[in-house]
Amino acid sequence: KQEVTQIPAALSVPEGENLVLNCSFTDSAIYNLQWFRQDPGKGLTSLLLIQSSQREQTSGRLNASLDKSSGRSTLYIAASQPGDSATYLCAVSVVKAAGNKLTFGGGTRVLVKP
Amino acid sequence: DAGVTQSPTHLIKTRGQQVTLRCSPKSGHDTVSWYQQALGQGPQFIFQYYEEEERQRGNFPDRFSGHQFPNYSSELNVNALLLGDSALYLCASNLVWQGTYEQYFGPGTRLTVT
Repeated sequence: KQEVTQIPAALSVPEGENLVLNCSFTDSAIYNLQWFRQDPGKGLTSLLLIQSSQREQTSGRLNASLDKSSGRSTLYIAASQPGDSATYLCAVSVVKAAGNKLTFGGGTRVLVKP
Repeated sequence: DAGVTQSPTHLIKTRGQQVTLRCSPKSGHDTVSWYQQALGQGPQFIFQYYEEEERQRGNFPDRFSGHQFPNYSSELNVNALLLGDSALYLCASNLVWQGTYEQYFGPGTRLTVT
């Protein structure tokens, strides 16, 4: 059974500091990995998707790496801003003939202080 | 480009009642997945619909059922509501033949069972 863990559960940093969020998964047979952002009481916004054959993906200040063999992904957010305060979730996708499903970690709650 | 939409936004029900939640997928998408997110936790996969059939199911009781219509929209039905069913219910869609299986999420329906 695939299990996804995110550590730490919460993180508080001063504005301008770089953020490093960790995600680990137990089964390396994944199709892809997605990072999401969730604001309180809202839905999920997709930030980055990394295919299992890729090592990293970048979008603006965000960079995500994937090491499938060790079951780890890291999301880097450069020069954090108060607007980056949110919960960040990682999810791994397993694709079968019947379809695909996402297995999520518990999330890391981030607070960026001005 | 219309994203994933869900209705209603909020819902309050009493234990033992039944509820129906609705989801319209992102334009052009043909697959709908439902997730349950309890407060402070990551989303849990309920089931996925493709071609009007349930293709995969997570570890949820038969009280949870669904349907997909010819226009790809979907409903989630929960019977005999329990207090523990209180959660944010998220709908996600993707296009099977897109290749990336990237899932796009709606804003969610907040269900409170009293």
